[in-house]
Amino acid sequence: QMQLVQSGAEVKKTGSSVKISCKASGYTFTSRLLHWVRQAPGQAFEWMGWITPFNGNTNYAQKLQGRVTITRDRSINTAYMELSSLRSEDTAMYFCARSKGSGPVAFDIWGQGTMVTVSS
Amino acid sequence: DIQMTQSPSSLSASVGDRVTITCRASQDISNYLNWYQQKPGKAPKLLIYDASYLEIGVPSRFSGSGSGTVLTFTISSLQPEDIATYYCQQYDNVPYTFGQGTKLEIK
Repeated sequence: QMQLVQSGAEVKKTGSSVKISCKASGYTFTSRLLHWVRQAPGQAFEWMGWITPFNGNTNYAQKLQGRVTITRDRSINTAYMELSSLRSEDTAMYFCARSKGSGPVAFDIWGQGTMVTVSS
Repeated sequence: DIQMTQSPSSLSASVGDRVTITCRASQDISNYLNWYQQKPGKAPKLLIYDASYLEIGVPSRFSGSGSGTVLTFTISSLQPEDIATYYCQQYDNVPYTFGQGTKLEIK
């Protein structure tokens, strides 16, 4: 079945970086945009950016520009999200999510989430 | 950024009740809105896209309507398995933004 499987929980120090993976299976990896979304405790979801797995094009939320990098490895159907200069407010559950299609930007398949905890 | 104001923030209803949640956008988003259901410890599940289209496999008691700045989500007859938090999400402009969520409980 179609699924996205993310890497495990991370505990990081303030100022460091974290890189999370998202492996796609059950569909053609290059056919749909792949997004990253996070949810801090008690907060709304925050869209972070997307990547076009076909050609690697990206689009990032302006708020995170310069700190977030989304990449992919087509050979293993995997996308990555790296967040640098971590702060306590980056503590959140991070999700990858697939775009439904070429029309609506609706997230129809989600990874299970990766908890990132940032502390000093 | 487009602000999405979702109301109510919590709701208690009885099995069989009709439940309605509203999302108000800070500017016209046409019908570029989706609705998700999230149960504790799980990833969100897409229910409605393009404001009113039911995702495949989602029960027909769920529906969405509206356009512009006021959009609504309805459960026609609440079932026990519908206990969850519901979120709206606009995609008219980046950054795509979400409502704060509506936590639905059984009375």
